[in-house]
Amino acid sequence: DAGVTQSPTHLIKTRGQQVTLRCSPKSGHDTVSWYQQALGQGPQFIFQYYEEEERQRGNFPDRFSGHQFPNYSSELNVNALLLGDSALYLCASSFFRPGRADLQETQYFGPGTRLLVL
Amino acid sequence: QKEVEQNSGPLSVPEGAIASLNCTYSDRVSQSFFWYRQYSGKSPELIMSIYSNGDKEDGRFTAQLNKASQYVSLLIRDSQPSDSATYLCALKDGSARQLTFGSGTQLTVLP
Repeated sequence: DAGVTQSPTHLIKTRGQQVTLRCSPKSGHDTVSWYQQALGQGPQFIFQYYEEEERQRGNFPDRFSGHQFPNYSSELNVNALLLGDSALYLCASSFFRPGRADLQETQYFGPGTRLLVL
Repeated sequence: QKEVEQNSGPLSVPEGAIASLNCTYSDRVSQSFFWYRQYSGKSPELIMSIYSNGDKEDGRFTAQLNKASQYVSLLIRDSQPSDSATYLCALKDGSARQLTFGSGTQLTVLP
């Protein structure tokens, strides 16, 4: 049973560039959430995708955008990179139960992509 | 806005001792609570989830939840050096889709 996969594992970019990160959810999962984790901090929610639509968004600028494909995999795009975008980017997958938002959706994290902006 | 507070540590315990990790939160509608373990340079790994008041045990780990006091804790019995990691507390309410994390507590188990 494949877990959550992310690519690439590491990335170095310069300010102003654009980056695309990729995630494949755990088998049987249909929902992908993206988080940014700065050094020494807990993960911060960026957004969540379900049924190929952005369902919820955290407090991140429009430079951060995403996409979900029919096979449930997802991409995170960041435009006009800033030095402060350097972080570990985490993808988490879960299974959403329509009409039962009260049910717990355990999120499982992938290995992450470490982005360094110079 | 939800806030999750954890003592950043570092918390040091000797091998074989009980490690106690604590987390408080600010809102009253959170329904689901999670503990993740994160080794240095790695991604968070789910240890336990808890949804109801009281204790939940899984092997050497016990999660305790008190919604009235807005408090959730994780006890690690018979601590091992391999338990040395950062422990992240996270919560989720029924209407939100996201997890809200604390900044984590760094635990060191001394041989």
